[in-house]
Amino acid sequence: GQQVMQIPQYQHVQEGEDFTTYCNSSTTLSNIQWYKQRPGGHPVFLIQLVKSGEVKKQKRLTFQFGEAKKNSSLHITATQTTDVGTYFCAGPEGGYQKVTFGTGTKLQVIP
Amino acid sequence: GAGVSQSPRYKVAKRGQDVALRCDPISGHVSLFWYQQALGQGPEFLTYFQNEAQLDKSGLPSDRFFAERPEGSVSTLKIQRTQQEDSAVYLCASSLAVVGGYNEQFFGPGTRLTVL
Repeated sequence: GQQVMQIPQYQHVQEGEDFTTYCNSSTTLSNIQWYKQRPGGHPVFLIQLVKSGEVKKQKRLTFQFGEAKKNSSLHITATQTTDVGTYFCAGPEGGYQKVTFGTGTKLQVIP
Repeated sequence: GAGVSQSPRYKVAKRGQDVALRCDPISGHVSLFWYQQALGQGPEFLTYFQNEAQLDKSGLPSDRFFAERPEGSVSTLKIQRTQQEDSAVYLCASSLAVVGGYNEQFFGPGTRLTVL
């Protein structure tokens, strides 16, 4: 079955530093979604990328979809303590909306 | 509230007991998903409904797990004869299922199941 891996598994950064998580799929994806899960919370949708090479920005967050549509990245500029949480990418599997979640990257921001 | 709700939020069961977990999706959402999330892991797909039809149950770990959505709205995930390995957070998510559009899934707060 489809596998979606993320690196790193954990990342500790000083507040103000940048952060990047990388997502790699074993299969080509029609789209990639990103979710954030705060400690003790549930996943919250951040964005969906559809086009090859697509780049989207949300304030300090930059999302990129690879040219081959098998990888993606999320970059956070100048991290803040509110960025703490686990970031998951998720790729569709099959002909409908079933998605396979990545392994996640847990971000800790040291004030 | 307009979000996905789940009940109970916490459930403690003795090994061998049956449990039923409820999910109220966002009104009008066609798609409904159940996920199992173990501590420190990502959500693992269990099953998917489109309206009342269960289109995929490939993620259900065993025949002790059963899900239904009889009227295409509220869904129930039932676990029979619970085992310790069933301990996890069970997440429900719903989606509008707009073809060609965003497939954003809205998650509920989850039910944390602990089997003793």
